[in-house]
Amino acid sequence: SAVISQKPSRDICQRGTSLTIQCQVDSQVTMMFWYRQQPGQSLTLIATANQGSEATYESGFVIDKFPISRPNLTFSTLTVSNMSPEDSSIYLCSASGGNEQFFGPGTRLTVL
Amino acid sequence: AQSVTQLGSHVSVSEGALVLLRCNYSSSVPPYLFWYVQYPNQGLQLLLKYTSAATLVKGINGFEAEFKKSETSFHLTKPSAHMSDAAEYFCAVSGATGTYKYIFGTGTRLKVLA
Repeated sequence: SAVISQKPSRDICQRGTSLTIQCQVDSQVTMMFWYRQQPGQSLTLIATANQGSEATYESGFVIDKFPISRPNLTFSTLTVSNMSPEDSSIYLCSASGGNEQFFGPGTRLTVL
Repeated sequence: AQSVTQLGSHVSVSEGALVLLRCNYSSSVPPYLFWYVQYPNQGLQLLLKYTSAATLVKGINGFEAEFKKSETSFHLTKPSAHMSDAAEYFCAVSGATGTYKYIFGTGTRLKVLA
């Protein structure tokens, strides 16, 4: 199994600013993902973070709003840009190991 | 294309009673199926998974699920609910073709009554 940590665990941000969330895995993994969980909702996949190349975004999510980096096989970042209150959510990082995904504890973001 | 439907956004059971959380899936390829639990203010923890081996899958904390292809179901059960089982439960499907993208159900919040 993989142990995943995220920073920050929570943040309160002002409208129009950006926040970068870090995700660290304790072992090398092939695939990493970023999800959004809006209040009281299920998880929605934002993108697959590809090592050494541009992330693959799901419908409804764009790189300008959610730029993602993945410089190596254990680390990824998600930036939430030009935030609005609608971006208030929990953002979760996951890593694929074998045939299952392991999830980080999430970053709880509140935008005022 | 794949999808997951969880019937019942909220389920209440008495402590000691049977827990049954329903999950139906749609998949154009043989699916991998998962149940995750999310406790308040925490991330997701894997309860159990089906990956085309045994159709009855046993997981952690006394939970189990049975894959029924004819019914396209993967319901989660536990014989006797405990207060600590109160949480949000998510069913997810992934294609077995090498893609590890998950499609999550909308979740079921389990409440356990004393």
